[in-house]
Amino acid sequence: DTAVSQTPKYLVTQMGNDKSIKCEQNLGHDTMYWYKQDSKKFLKIMFSYNNKELIINETVPNRFSPKSPDKAHLNLHINSLELGDSAVYFCASSQVKAQGYTFGSGTRLTVV
Amino acid sequence: AQSVTQLDSQVPVFEEAPVELRCNYSSSVSVYLFWYVQYPNQGLQLLLKYLSGSTLVKGINGFEAEFNKSQTSFHLRKPSVHISDTAEYFCAVSEGSGYALNFGKGTSLLVTP
Repeated sequence: DTAVSQTPKYLVTQMGNDKSIKCEQNLGHDTMYWYKQDSKKFLKIMFSYNNKELIINETVPNRFSPKSPDKAHLNLHINSLELGDSAVYFCASSQVKAQGYTFGSGTRLTVV
Repeated sequence: AQSVTQLDSQVPVFEEAPVELRCNYSSSVSVYLFWYVQYPNQGLQLLLKYLSGSTLVKGINGFEAEFNKSQTSFHLRKPSVHISDTAEYFCAVSEGSGYALNFGKGTSLLVTP
């Protein structure tokens, strides 16, 4: 009964491949997010969806495309993976904006 | 836009000693403030948050933080740390009207016997 679950937990892939990371929350929250944590542990927001509608789209290469089939799911698809995409990607959700997020356990993406 | 500065990248401390992790923010509007903890190879867990009201906020695991509007600070404190408190601590701020939670660069707390 994990609140925010991400799959897979680890992902190792070659440059140029396309991969997806899935995220699901069972908290009934209406807003979901993707964050990227780099090797220096800096967390930066990538996208935010509210009730399946994109509300935040930071400066992210268009190789990254979020998809929200319903408000409980926010998937991240990455095309043409590059070495610099290696990072830990966190999904999060919240109910009332700015009241604090619940984070998933992260997906460690390694591009070789 | 708001920003968050965590003044110490690493804080070493002995077990049972007190600790303070510093956080300053800049914003032109009222903000909501948060502290998160990240244990090795895990996700982020909310320690505490300030939304309004009392400026002294108590959180989980014996941590507390004080919001100081005049100094634009939200420092995290614990009177006596344990080995298990070793982790990365992140201060975060949101302006409330938007959805983005902006994080500081983190402070690595290392507790040794």
